[in-house]
Amino acid sequence: TQLLEQSPQFLSIQEGENLTVYCNSSSVFSSLQWYRQEPGEGPVLLVTVVTGGEVKKLKRLTFQFGDARKDSSLHITAAQPGDTGLYLCAGGILTGGGNKLTFGTGTQLKVEL
Amino acid sequence: DTGVSQDPRHKITKRGQNVTFRCDPISEHNRLYWYRQTLGQGPEFLTYFQNEAQLEKSRLLSDRFSAERPKGSFSTLEIQRTEQGDSAMYLCASSSSGTFSPYEQYFGPGTRLTVT
Repeated sequence: TQLLEQSPQFLSIQEGENLTVYCNSSSVFSSLQWYRQEPGEGPVLLVTVVTGGEVKKLKRLTFQFGDARKDSSLHITAAQPGDTGLYLCAGGILTGGGNKLTFGTGTQLKVEL
Repeated sequence: DTGVSQDPRHKITKRGQNVTFRCDPISEHNRLYWYRQTLGQGPEFLTYFQNEAQLEKSRLLSDRFSAERPKGSFSTLEIQRTEQGDSAMYLCASSSSGTFSPYEQYFGPGTRLTVT
C-alpha cells in the first residue's frame, strides 16, 4: 500500500510570505500531481511531474519531484489571499489500464491580509 | 471546453435507501475513475474504467457498491442499503490514454452524500 504524507497539515501565513509544502512517500511513483481544492468542490489539477528531479514553475508556484520519484515539494512565493485552499499531492502508478492515484492527506493553507 | 460533470451535487438520504450518482467525463477521455473523500482526508480510489471495462476495484468498494459505464461514456455509481458511514464526497475523474495525458486526471465537482 502506497502512503503519501504531507506536511504541514495546516499553515496560516500573512500575505507576501513564502511557504513550502512537502509530500513524502517510501514508494516510487510514475507521476506526481498537485491539486488545489476549495470547500465543496472537486480538486483542480495544478501540475503533473513525471521525471525524477524535475522542476516546474507556474507563476509564483514551483513544484519539484524528488530524484528517486518518492517525494515532492510545492513552494509558493509571495503568497496571496487567493492562494487559500487545500493543497493535495497525489502519486500515480501507471498500469496498462490507467493511472490510479494515491492522495496525501492535504495541507490546508490560509493566507491573511 | 466542457469539464467533468456530476449529478446530483448533493444527496440526502435515509439509512437503508439506495442512491445512484452519475458522472459525465470530458468527451474525448476514455478512462474514468471514482474516488471517495471524507472530511479532512484526501480522496481514496474506488474503481476505474477504460472505455466500458471496469479494470480495478478497491477493497473499499463493498458488495453494496456497484459502478457501470455501459457505453464507455457516462458512468453511474450505485450504493445499495446506505449506511451512515457512506456519508462522503464522491468524486469522478477522467483522463485520456494518449501519450502524455494518461498521468493527468481531471475531477468533477463531486456529489456530497449525507446519510441520516
